[in-house]
Amino acid sequence: DQQVKQNSPSLSVQEGRISILNCDYTNSMFDYFLWYKKYPAEGPTFLISISSIKDKNEDGRFTVFLNKSAKHLSLHIVPSQPGDSAVYFCAADSGSSNTGKLIFGQGTTLQVKP
Amino acid sequence: NAGVTQTPKFQVLKTGQSMTLQCAQDMNHNSMYWYRQDPGMGLRLIYYSASEGTTDKGEVPNGYNVSRLNKREFSLRLESAAPSQTSVYFCASTPGKHTQYFGPGTRLTVL
Repeated sequence: DQQVKQNSPSLSVQEGRISILNCDYTNSMFDYFLWYKKYPAEGPTFLISISSIKDKNEDGRFTVFLNKSAKHLSLHIVPSQPGDSAVYFCAADSGSSNTGKLIFGQGTTLQVKP
Repeated sequence: NAGVTQTPKFQVLKTGQSMTLQCAQDMNHNSMYWYRQDPGMGLRLIYYSASEGTTDKGEVPNGYNVSRLNKREFSLRLESAAPSQTSVYFCASTPGKHTQYFGPGTRLTVL
């Protein structure tokens, strides 16, 4: 069963508008969440993260929101730029061991149109 | 500081052939991971090594073996490749918890 789900395989947004990428999880033991960005033919790169003790974390144009009661997190990109076009993965860390293991969602492909 | 490096970048194998994917990191990280990425499946963990000298199975370990050669290097071996192992393979490392740093990937095709 998929513990971390990104139900939208793709999203298309106009340049300058807001992009909202969503992620749902099932395991209430997850205590840390991350977003990664991946360009074609490259490895994923870390974008932003949030601890389960917070409900919002902001870094420039990127903000992650966490709703623990709904087991839902979202990534907001404002304003969106063509260079943001990539695949975005959300990931969760259970924190129950010191292995550092992450569980990833399926990814959402964002296209930002000029 | 190269970060995480992987070799080769591309590989084509015939069914039944064997090969080893190499991964090295120069960040003095304790933990290392091997993932495969398939369309619509995200990143799935094959094996990981929480520290030098230890390895453990991840979500999809069948058909693979790993070796944590030293703190820097973590290799993934396919003993008898199958078409189902056609994928993009990523190696990652982390100093402890949370943020993982990924290599550029190896694109493997098994015919």
